[in-house]
Amino acid sequence: DSGVTQTPKHLITATGQRVTLRCSPRSGDLSVYWYQQSLDQGLQFLIQYYNGEERAKGNILERFSAQQFPDLHSELNLSSLELGDSALYFCASSVEVQGSGYTFGSGTRLTVV
Amino acid sequence: QKEVEQDPGPLSVPEGAIVSLNCTYSNSAFQYFMWYRQYSRKGPELLMYTYSSGNKEDGRFTAQVDKSSKYISLFIRDSQPSDSATYLCAFKAAGNKLTFGGGTRVLVKP
Repeated sequence: DSGVTQTPKHLITATGQRVTLRCSPRSGDLSVYWYQQSLDQGLQFLIQYYNGEERAKGNILERFSAQQFPDLHSELNLSSLELGDSALYFCASSVEVQGSGYTFGSGTRLTVV
Repeated sequence: QKEVEQDPGPLSVPEGAIVSLNCTYSNSAFQYFMWYRQYSRKGPELLMYTYSSGNKEDGRFTAQVDKSSKYISLFIRDSQPSDSATYLCAFKAAGNKLTFGGGTRVLVKP
């Protein structure tokens, strides 16, 4: 167990629907990162939050949004889902120390049908 | 040109052999260099991280960085079937965002 908790583990939904993925970071970590992993694109950075504020944005679609709450858990909202959004979505957390890596959760596997 | 290039493999080796993995990168701003291991259907797990050019050893793992050539390597000695996984190189510039390679799938055969 890495200490980063992601729910749900699996999600199957239809095109056009909206889903919410949840992440609880490792105790003491203030930063949360969301990544998308698909077979053809590898791990793509979506967005980072630090202590409740958006810190960095990557290749995140406008249909996607995220937030980090006061208790530091984070949610990634995906709307108007398309078949191409099917992927593994990972959350990671870290302390803000130069040279530190991330700790990843086990991911949420999203299948859009 | 991609920011990070990594051969997808698969790389198949017999148990006990040395596994040699590498990545090239083009972004001179990358300051930190990491290797992650990812088992099927699991999240990536940090194996090694380095800052400067040269070698860093941790047990059976050795990470090498050559900043002048923009090239990093990971060597796994005395490989075991449990080392079968996908290995991802990762890079960090200023800030905390990581840029990943596409991963190399490694199979260690008993």
